[in-house]
Amino acid sequence: EVQLLESGGGLVQPGGSLRLSCAASGFTFSIYAMAWVRQAPGRGLEWVSAMSDDGGYIYYADSVKGRFTISRDNSKNTLYLQMNSLRADDAATYYCAQEYDSAWQNWGQGTLVTVSS
Amino acid sequence: QSALTQPASVSRSPGQSITISCTGSRSDVGSYNLVSWYQQHPGKAPKLIIYETTKRPSGVSNRFSGSKSGNTASLTISGLQGEDEADYYCCSYAGRITPWLFGGGTKLTVL
Repeated sequence: EVQLLESGGGLVQPGGSLRLSCAASGFTFSIYAMAWVRQAPGRGLEWVSAMSDDGGYIYYADSVKGRFTISRDNSKNTLYLQMNSLRADDAATYYCAQEYDSAWQNWGQGTLVTVSS
Repeated sequence: QSALTQPASVSRSPGQSITISCTGSRSDVGSYNLVSWYQQHPGKAPKLIIYETTKRPSGVSNRFSGSKSGNTASLTISGLQGEDEADYYCCSYAGRITPWLFGGGTKLTVL
């Protein structure tokens, strides 16, 4: 069974940093692209960042470019999102998702990021 | 690039059918057969129900179907059931600069 377990969310002040992790199991992590998708409270889904299976391709939404960094450790079956210079509008539940045929096939349960002073 | 456009809400009675539209542009929906649809119940993670515009993942009911015409993709749900009441999101591949765009979501109410 595919499992994606996000962690690392919490309360952070504006301008602060957080590092999210997504531990994957139940599939061969190293051969799948992965992504982070967020959802602000009461709002829709927003794609944030994606990385190819070997890390050779990395993409960011304009809203996070220059502030967020995606990475992965295939030896640990883990995806990361380093978030710096956090703003109020970054507050959201962050989901990691496994790519399949250019769609997001499996999703974690999400980790909540709150940005407030 | 802007988010894809979906109706904010729709409602139907049980047993009826509904089609939810997802309008993009020539740069995304119109250029690729890579539209996916997600169902999200309150407090839950999204679930993939359509990929590559028309394909259903294993285990997804055949009451769900996808199609596309020009820059607009559509999700049709037939024989509506109470469990179909949820938010639905479309997503399209949009090229290498900003690869994925989501729609704003459609809240389906089954009366």
